[in-house]
Amino acid sequence: DAKTTQPPSMDCAEGRAANLPCNHSTISGNEYVYWYRQIHSQGPQYIIHGLKNNETNEMASLIITEDRKSSTLILPHATLRDTAVYYCIVRVNTGTASKLTFGTGTRLQVTL
Amino acid sequence: NAGVTQTPKFQVLKTGQSMTLQCAQDMNHEYMSWYRQDPGMGLRLIHYSVGAGITDQGEVPNGYNVSRSTTEDFPLRLLSAAPSQTSVYFCASSRLAATPLPRETQYFGPGTRLLVL
Repeated sequence: DAKTTQPPSMDCAEGRAANLPCNHSTISGNEYVYWYRQIHSQGPQYIIHGLKNNETNEMASLIITEDRKSSTLILPHATLRDTAVYYCIVRVNTGTASKLTFGTGTRLQVTL
Repeated sequence: NAGVTQTPKFQVLKTGQSMTLQCAQDMNHEYMSWYRQDPGMGLRLIHYSVGAGITDQGEVPNGYNVSRSTTEDFPLRLLSAAPSQTSVYFCASSRLAATPLPRETQYFGPGTRLLVL
């Protein structure tokens, strides 16, 4: 699975959009981009995933560049409850196993 | 649905003791896995299973055993605990990914905090 690079930390004011970048320059054509987050002391929580097209769900939007070498997770209106570590993961959806390789992620601090 | 449950929430062991961390899911997921998380680090995969009777090693399997006798349960056994196994352990489950529309997401339990003295 391709490696990812994320900034170690970011701050965001409550109510503003939080844009979390991820570089995955060695991504292969059949690898998906997944985002999970981990709120303090809890198990990780799935947010969103995508292959080539931009994706949106009730939690966030995922913007993937045309060359697929980077992506951005957007939380449109960050709240204090969005304070967490956000993990960008790139992996093949093999259909047989769901192994996820977590890096150290981006610690997002949402402030008043 | 209770989702993924883990017991115990906290455990203190002495070096050399054995114990089993329990994990259960009620979503009929084929795939289950165990991760450990050390301070300041991401999660690392210990063992995983793609169905009853099938298990395989992850990134850091040494010192741990698993079995999968039922779809619902996936216990993690420490045969002889060592201080290096002090960590937070997370169990996760998911459906196996499907093509052409993968909707697989992993659901994580609340974690077990283990201290080995």
